[in-house]
Amino acid sequence: TQLLEQSPQFLSIQEGENLTVYCNSSSVFSSLQWYRQEPGEGPVLLVTVVTGGEVKKLKRLTFQFGDARKDSSLHITAAQTGDTGLYLCAGEGYNQGGKLIFGQGTELSVKP
Amino acid sequence: DTGVSQDPRHKITKRGQNVTFRCDPISEHNRLYWYRQTLGQGPEFLTYFQNEAQLEKSRLLSDRFSAERPKGSFSTLEIQRTEQGDSAMYLCASSLSIGTTYNEQFFGPGTRLTVL
Repeated sequence: TQLLEQSPQFLSIQEGENLTVYCNSSSVFSSLQWYRQEPGEGPVLLVTVVTGGEVKKLKRLTFQFGDARKDSSLHITAAQTGDTGLYLCAGEGYNQGGKLIFGQGTELSVKP
Repeated sequence: DTGVSQDPRHKITKRGQNVTFRCDPISEHNRLYWYRQTLGQGPEFLTYFQNEAQLEKSRLLSDRFSAERPKGSFSTLEIQRTEQGDSAMYLCASSLSIGTTYNEQFFGPGTRLTVL
């Protein structure tokens, strides 16, 4: 069974601080997607990483896919209160019909 | 708005009743997925369709659950004889699978089910 361990589960920081969220597995994924979810809403896709070692940037957010395609990280620089939300990583296995295996999520709270 | 839509957004029902949810995917997407999310957890895969064919069902999907995608467009998820443990957010996602090694899934807003 493929599992994704996401850490930390909760993170409370002050505006302007940096943070990193980690997503780890013993399984290899063909791709990994990061989502952000607001309360009562569906997840919104932020980025998809496909190649081992790939780094993608989205404004203040930097996403990295591990060389072995088993882990990923999300780094936020100079967090803002608008970054508050639930961040989810989701891996797609090979020949799995595209179904996603989700981590437990990281609940981020950025205080002014 | 051309995103994934779901109806209803909220459903409150009594234990033992049947409920049906609808999902309208992004129009050109050939794959449609159903997930379930409970409080404090990430979504869990339930089932998926490629066009009108249901290709996989999770062990989470008991025989009280049935899903259809009759014309390869919208999909319905029915839960019969609801139980309190069915209370969750039911999420639908769609993607365009064109033979690449990955397919990005776009989620709808979800249906929040509460079973009393």
